[in-house]
Amino acid sequence: GAVVSQHPSRVICKSGTSVKIECRSLDFQATTMFWYRQFPKKSLMLMATSNEGSKATYEQGVEKDKFLINHASLTLSTLTVTSAHPEDSSFYICSAPRTRNNNEQFFGPGTRLTVL
Amino acid sequence: EDKVVQSPLSLVVHEGDTVTLNCSYEVTNFRSLLWYKQEKKAPTFLFMLTSSGIEKKSGRLSSILDKKELFSILNITATQTGDSAVYLCAVHTGTASKLTFGTGTRLQVTL
Repeated sequence: GAVVSQHPSRVICKSGTSVKIECRSLDFQATTMFWYRQFPKKSLMLMATSNEGSKATYEQGVEKDKFLINHASLTLSTLTVTSAHPEDSSFYICSAPRTRNNNEQFFGPGTRLTVL
Repeated sequence: EDKVVQSPLSLVVHEGDTVTLNCSYEVTNFRSLLWYKQEKKAPTFLFMLTSSGIEKKSGRLSSILDKKELFSILNITATQTGDSAVYLCAVHTGTASKLTFGTGTRLQVTL
């Protein structure tokens, strides 16, 4: 199956700093990638859709200026949590469909963010 | 607003038991329903269902979709402790590959 990687797998930072998380599709090109967050014992909540060559589409209630998304190439999307606060601590997961019309999505291993 | 509901929220069974997990949905522009297994990290893909009444099987796991009743079930027979995980149901809608996830069912298989 297709492989999606995320980096870093875990990050601990101080309140007020910015954290960048990378999502890469390793053996296929992804014009679209998705960013989710997951709180403990909760399901995945879609935050935004990252589009190569255009602006990201954010879900209702997600602050664009807080969670900056850049889809730099067909294999890389980045999520930057700006001025992180303890309430931003969560598990962030990206996913990518292999093709635009392919229903099956491949998930990255996730990034656990802890903001002190 | 698209909605995916899973039941039960959690379940504890003994090894060897058979379990049935439920997923119902109310969405616009349904394309497919997917089941994932999540242990400690990201979800791993189990099944994708697009047509009603066609059972998909993989070892001890099987799943079926009812598009008339907007419902899917995931069956696990002869459960093992390694089946302990959160099982997520997600519905794919629209043309942008967007997935809406259910709340998940936390399954614990004990000896």
